[in-house]
Amino acid sequence: GAGVSQSPSNKVTEKGKDVELRCDPISGHTALYWYRQSLGQGLEFLIYFQGNSAPDKSGLPSDRFSAERTGGSVSTLTIQRTQQEDSAVYLCASSQDSGVTEAFFGQGTRLTVV
Amino acid sequence: GENVEQHPSTLSVQEGDSAVIKCTYSDSASNYFPWYKQELGKRPQLIIDIRSNVGEKKDQRIAVTLNKTAKHFSLHITETQPEDSAVYFCAARGGSYIPTFGRGTSLIVHP
Repeated sequence: GAGVSQSPSNKVTEKGKDVELRCDPISGHTALYWYRQSLGQGLEFLIYFQGNSAPDKSGLPSDRFSAERTGGSVSTLTIQRTQQEDSAVYLCASSQDSGVTEAFFGQGTRLTVV
Repeated sequence: GENVEQHPSTLSVQEGDSAVIKCTYSDSASNYFPWYKQELGKRPQLIIDIRSNVGEKKDQRIAVTLNKTAKHFSLHITETQPEDSAVYFCAARGGSYIPTFGRGTSLIVHP
């Protein structure tokens, strides 16, 4: 079946604008994660959704970042009033559940704030 | 929360040599340790994982070892090939259910 899909693949935005990044997880996967990868850096955790439970937002770097997951499937990461330091690749991953199962990554959205 | 340290940050080897990447973790409740390979411009992909009830796991040229007492785990690649060149990430997942990743190791295999 289809893997994790993210859109857009690339996004260039002006400083101060809002952006929305979309993630379509693998069908039936209840766990969904957002990570941020800056150039040459590791994977920084942002937010975690599991089923209908309240999301774990402990990784969000500021209140300009928010995310939602509608109907337990598609997720949207929103960054308000973008700053240059927000430039990075935003990766979404999903897994079958919250147990010891593989997380599958999307191809990422490369965000450039100019 | 969980903290994962990964070393080295860069590893350069000759084709045919072995490569070892080491990670330590802090949360004793962690029970799942995946390794991901990320080729340039591509998504991270799982290459091998190990659960806390196992000390070692092998898959062809790749092996992972886990020492729960010392809270460290390692990736071993034997007979390296140029196509093994990539960034490798270790991760640990425990009570929070959130995989925490190391900062990555850039492996360069010279032909």
